[in-house]
Amino acid sequence: GAVVSQHPSWVICKSGTSVKIECRSLDFQATTMFWYRQFPKQSLMLMATSNEGSKATYEQGVEKDKFLINHASLTLSTLTVTSAHPEDSSFYICSATKGKADTQYFGPGTRLTVL
Amino acid sequence: SQQGEEDPQALSIQEGENATMNCSYKTSINNLQWYRQNSGRGLVHLILIRSNEREKHSGRLRVTLDTSKKSSSLLITASRAADTASYFCATENSWGKLQFGAGTQVVVTP
Repeated sequence: GAVVSQHPSWVICKSGTSVKIECRSLDFQATTMFWYRQFPKQSLMLMATSNEGSKATYEQGVEKDKFLINHASLTLSTLTVTSAHPEDSSFYICSATKGKADTQYFGPGTRLTVL
Repeated sequence: SQQGEEDPQALSIQEGENATMNCSYKTSINNLQWYRQNSGRGLVHLILIRSNEREKHSGRLRVTLDTSKKSSSLLITASRAADTASYFCATENSWGKLQFGAGTQVVVTP
C-alpha cells in the first residue's frame, strides 16, 4: 500500500502557458501533500505544504500566485505552474502522508520543460 | 535552505567495495531518513532512524546517527552496479516537514 502517482510524467510547453500537474494517493487518504522542485544535479527543495480543504503553505521565496496548489480531495492535489518560463523547467515531485508527521510517500515525479 | 550537507558529493567505487557517505544537519530533528534516486526518477525510501536511535540496519545498509554531532552516515556494504544512484539524507522536524541534503552521487563500476 501507500502508492502515489503523478500525471503527467513529463510535459513540454511553450513559454507563457500554464501547466497542471496532478498528484494522487492511490490506496490511502492523504491529509497532507507536499510539493518539491528539483533542478538538475541538485537536491529536492520543498515548495509548499498542502492540506485537504485549506490553503497551501508556501516556503519562503516560492510565489504562490505562480505555483497554484489545490488540494480538493483526500486523494488529489494539483500544482499549476502559471505563465511558465524556461527557468521553471524542473523536476516536480509530490509526496503524501496519511497523517501529521507521518511517513511521506513520494510520487515518481513530473519533468517539466518550458521552451 | 538546505538542512543537510552531505559528503562526499560524488563517490566512485568498484563492485564489492563498501560505500560510505555522511550527512550533517543544523537543527533539532524527529528523525533522519535516507533516500535513493536513480537518474531522472522518483525517490526510493531506504531507511529511517529516529532521534533516539544510534544505529540501524536494513539488508546491506547500515545507518548511524550522532545527535550530539548532528551527523549521520550511510554505509552500503558489498556494493553492486545496481546501487549506482544519488543518495539523499533528509531530516524531519516535529511538523513532518522534510529537508533534504545536497546528495551524494554514487557510481559503482563492475
